[in-house]
Amino acid sequence: EPEVTQTPSHQVTQMGQEVILRCVPISNHLYFYWYRQILGQKVEFLVSFYNNEISEKSEIFDDQFSVERPDGSNFTLKIRSTKLEDSAMYFCASSGQGQPQHFGDGTRLSIL
Amino acid sequence: QKEVEQNSGPLSVPEGAIASLNCTYSDRGSQSFFWYRQYSGKSPELIMSIYSNGDKEDGRFTAQLNKASQYVSLLIRDSQPSDSATYLCAVNPAGKLIFGRGTELSVKP
Repeated sequence: EPEVTQTPSHQVTQMGQEVILRCVPISNHLYFYWYRQILGQKVEFLVSFYNNEISEKSEIFDDQFSVERPDGSNFTLKIRSTKLEDSAMYFCASSGQGQPQHFGDGTRLSIL
Repeated sequence: QKEVEQNSGPLSVPEGAIASLNCTYSDRGSQSFFWYRQYSGKSPELIMSIYSNGDKEDGRFTAQLNKASQYVSLLIRDSQPSDSATYLCAVNPAGKLIFGRGTELSVKP
């Protein structure tokens, strides 16, 4: 069964550094999403992406965040200058038109 | 603020029993409703989707939706220890998913 793939599984970064989280969505999906989950808290929406542009973003997705689809398969989330409070699990999800979202295994981001 | 509310639990049921998980949502414009299962340290895994009022059954799982009451539930029949996880209710008003905090289910052998 096709699945969403995320790399790396764990990223440790010094505060203030840039980090790029990578995702390969399911191949025939057109809608892409990033969510985050701080330890012990609920899953929170960050951004949705369709037709090579952002469809919607949350208040969390400030100027430090950006997304890109650099080629036909990858979908990336960049955090420009990481803060301690960015430590969380980051999940990529994708869906087809009118279909449920399927999640990748996530990247655990630890900011030191 | 669009909210999804769930009892955090833990909900403890004996093996073989029916587990009943409940969820309410605030946005009357929501059209799509989902239950995800999340094991500790893992990603959400889609269990059920439901789009219209009534019941939808898939194996041991039944989702129930009542849009007038803004209420979604999930029943798990013949609960197994492997069903022990956190169950996340998610609502899809337009594109993005809004998640509840999840209900922790523990199935005791």
